[in-house]
Amino acid sequence: AQSVTQLGSHVSVSEGALVLLRCNYSSSVPPYLFWYVQYPNQGLQLLLKYTSAATLVKGINGFEAEFKKSETSFHLTKPSAHMSDAAEYFCAVRLGGGSQGNLIFGKGTKLSVKP
Amino acid sequence: ETGVTQSPTHLIKTRGQQVTLRCSSQSGHNTVSWYQQALGQGPQFIFQYYREEENGRGNFPPRFSGLQFPNYSSELNVNALELDDSALYLCASRLDLSSVTDTQYFGPGTRLTVL
Repeated sequence: AQSVTQLGSHVSVSEGALVLLRCNYSSSVPPYLFWYVQYPNQGLQLLLKYTSAATLVKGINGFEAEFKKSETSFHLTKPSAHMSDAAEYFCAVRLGGGSQGNLIFGKGTKLSVKP
Repeated sequence: ETGVTQSPTHLIKTRGQQVTLRCSSQSGHNTVSWYQQALGQGPQFIFQYYREEENGRGNFPPRFSGLQFPNYSSELNVNALELDDSALYLCASRLDLSSVTDTQYFGPGTRLTVL
């Protein structure tokens, strides 16, 4: 079965430190990968998406992710954490279009940022 | 702001009752999906509607049903509510059903509590 694994349900960093949130996928077809962020009591907001145009994808709020096919990974990074980055982050995969166009989400990683 | 709205924000029901949740998609988005997000979990795909017909379904029983209307609004209906149905229900719309890289825009969700 196709799936997404996010390593670490909670990650805590200091303000100004590197943020690294891990995502691995399993897919028998070329995956299309997404990172979403969810702030408390809100819906999901797209951070970035991999569309096969480039392996390094830049998103909003200074985040980026690199698609590594050999490692089946799509880790999310940000060079310097800000207090406003505290939220839950979800990695998701889409396997195709049409009736296969739904997103399969990981369980999420909650990011805490310490002052 | 994604342009996707949901109502109500919160809802409390009793086991065995029926509930209807509503969503208004972005104008022009002819595809709407519903997801269930249990506490501490990633969103799980319930079903997808395209041009008022169901076009893909996740692993949810038939008591979860939906409707999509020509005015870009949609409904999620759940019959015979169970305690495990307590969750955040997210609606998401997108423009192009056939596109594998199309962004899904999420609403803020409806928090359903079943007592």
